[in-house]
Amino acid sequence: DVVMTQTPVSLSVSLGGQTSISCRSSQSLVHSDGNTYLYWYLQKPGQSPQLLIYKVSNRFSGVPDRFSGSGSGTDFTLKISRVEPEDLGVYYCYQGTHYLTFGSGTKLEIK
Amino acid sequence: EVLLQQSGAELVRPGSSVKISCKASGYTFTDYYMHWVKQRPEQGLVWIGRINPANGNTVYAEKFKSKATLTADKSSNTAYMQLSSLTSEDTATYFCTNSGDWGQGVMVTVSS
Repeated sequence: DVVMTQTPVSLSVSLGGQTSISCRSSQSLVHSDGNTYLYWYLQKPGQSPQLLIYKVSNRFSGVPDRFSGSGSGTDFTLKISRVEPEDLGVYYCYQGTHYLTFGSGTKLEIK
Repeated sequence: EVLLQQSGAELVRPGSSVKISCKASGYTFTDYYMHWVKQRPEQGLVWIGRINPANGNTVYAEKFKSKATLTADKSSNTAYMQLSSLTSEDTATYFCTNSGDWGQGVMVTVSS
């Protein structure tokens, strides 16, 4: 199974600040079709996860441009700029190249 | 608008089975895999498996191969997951997702 290692476990960020989350996979996430199926989700307290980024760097419908994804191969990053109160929750990376596995999550708190 | 409407919470006895549903609307049901994900209280997300609604083909995570059975009904755009031989370890919220959209989750509580 592909192991997704997500860091840090938690973050505390000031409103208006910027932060990033790292996700590393135990093997390359480049699919034989040429796509890289790396996603980022946010799960707000008491809610279902919501998709933020798909295929490394594409923002899902309605996701503000404060969220950006980057990376390739085995190393990926989610950046959040101009942090707002509604950004709090747990962020997960997730790969869909080799079936599916999730990272362990990063809890974002607002200072 | 895409909607994945899941069935209601379940309270079940140890050793029994439960079948939960996920009704899809707002998109072509057969165009996307339906995945199922488990989340125990205060824990992370664990992938259970997926079904291709177009042909019924399934793939399961190793640890769920004898626990979960996924099916789909194209006529009603509904995916199902049956969990068998339930124990307290199965107490969790179960989500369906087509990767982009998620159901609201079903809380399954296993208790005598």
